[in-house]
Formats: sequence, C-alpha cells, structure tokens
Amino acid sequence: DAGVTQSPTHLIKTRGQHVTLRCSPISGHKSVSWYQQVLGQGPQFIFQYYEKEERGRGNFPDRFSARQFPNYSSELNVNALLLGDSALYLCASSQASTGIGSPLHFGNGTRLTVT
Amino acid sequence: QQPVQSPQAVILREGEDAVINCSSSKALYSVHWYRQKHGEAPVFLMILLKGGEQKGHDKISASFNEKKQQSSLYLTASQLSYSGTYFCGTGVLPLSFGAGTTVTVRA
Repeated sequence: DAGVTQSPTHLIKTRGQHVTLRCSPISGHKSVSWYQQVLGQGPQFIFQYYEKEERGRGNFPDRFSARQFPNYSSELNVNALLLGDSALYLCASSQASTGIGSPLHFGNGTRLTVT
Repeated sequence: QQPVQSPQAVILREGEDAVINCSSSKALYSVHWYRQKHGEAPVFLMILLKGGEQKGHDKISASFNEKKQQSSLYLTASQLSYSGTYFCGTGVLPLSFGAGTTVTVRA
C-alpha cells in the first residue's frame, strides 16, 4: 500500500506570496493532521481534520488554513508568507480521530523556503 | 503543552545502552514514540497505553508511568541504525511533540 504522499517536495516562495501544499493519506485513513517542523525542533501542530471536519487548530495565525476533501486528501494554504514560515511541513494520517492507540503515519514533507 | 525530553543529545558506541526520558505536566493517556532520520519523515516506533506497560520494537523498549506522567525509551545494545532524532508525542490527537533527543551511534 502507498504511504502518505505530499506534494510538492520542495518549494521556494517570496515574502507576501501564497502557497498550497497537498497531502494524500493512506487508503482507509480518515484523519489528516498538519505539522510544521523548524530545524532542530519537534513538529508543531497546525490543523487536524477528520471526516472533512476540522477537529483541532494549533497556535498559528489566520494566514494558515486547510481543508479536507471527500476522498480524505487535504490541502494546507498559507497566505502572505513571512520569512518565519520557512520550515518542513509534514502531513500525517491515522485511522482514528484520536491518538490513543492509533499511530500517526507521516509523509516525507514539503520543504518550504521563503526568501 | 509540549512534553519535555531529556537529554537533548547522546552519543553512543555500538553496543552501548541509552535512556531517553519524556515528561508531561498534564495527565497522560498515551505516549507515542517516533524516530526521524536526517532528511526523512518521522517513523512510528510504538504507543504505550497503560501505566507501567512496556513495549518493544527490536531492541528498543519503553515504559510508561501514568502517576509520574513520564515515559522512558530504552535503547539496548545500540546499532548504527539507531541513529536519529527521537520524539515523544503526548495527548490525544493532536499530538504534542517534544523537542527531540538526537542519538548518534558510532562504530
């Protein structure tokens, strides 16, 4: 079975621009979570979607938004990019809506560089 | 609230043992452990669900003490392949991850 796939793998954008990152979960997984990972730190939670509904939102500004489609794939959108948005963006899927007993399966991430 | 991991980094020779600790200020229902190699995605190692339960993955095992709100990851007889950054994740989804412990195993 295919794992979690993310696209694109790398992206270079200019301050003020907009970016859309995409994620396809493992087949059968209904939950998708987005994390931001800055070099040297652990993943920071951005959003979780389960069955197309937002289940949680981390401490990120409104410039960050996401959605989940009927096929459970997901998009993360970031508007008005700042230099500080440069990071590895990870998508993770899981079968359940909670982490108890249900591991996260991460994609390889999208490396976003804002110049 | 992010869990706190210690130590930040550890260097081992092949065959040596190490312990990584993860503690939380909140009550824990489960603890996840993941390993991330340089330039790769985090990979799931194990979940601990019950107090005091130990689980294993190869020669990597972990314990979970609900009362102390702590979990420990044990790397036994370390191999070169154990090198990477280990993260604990706590809470129900979404998981909160610690800052990570970088493990370097040398021949």
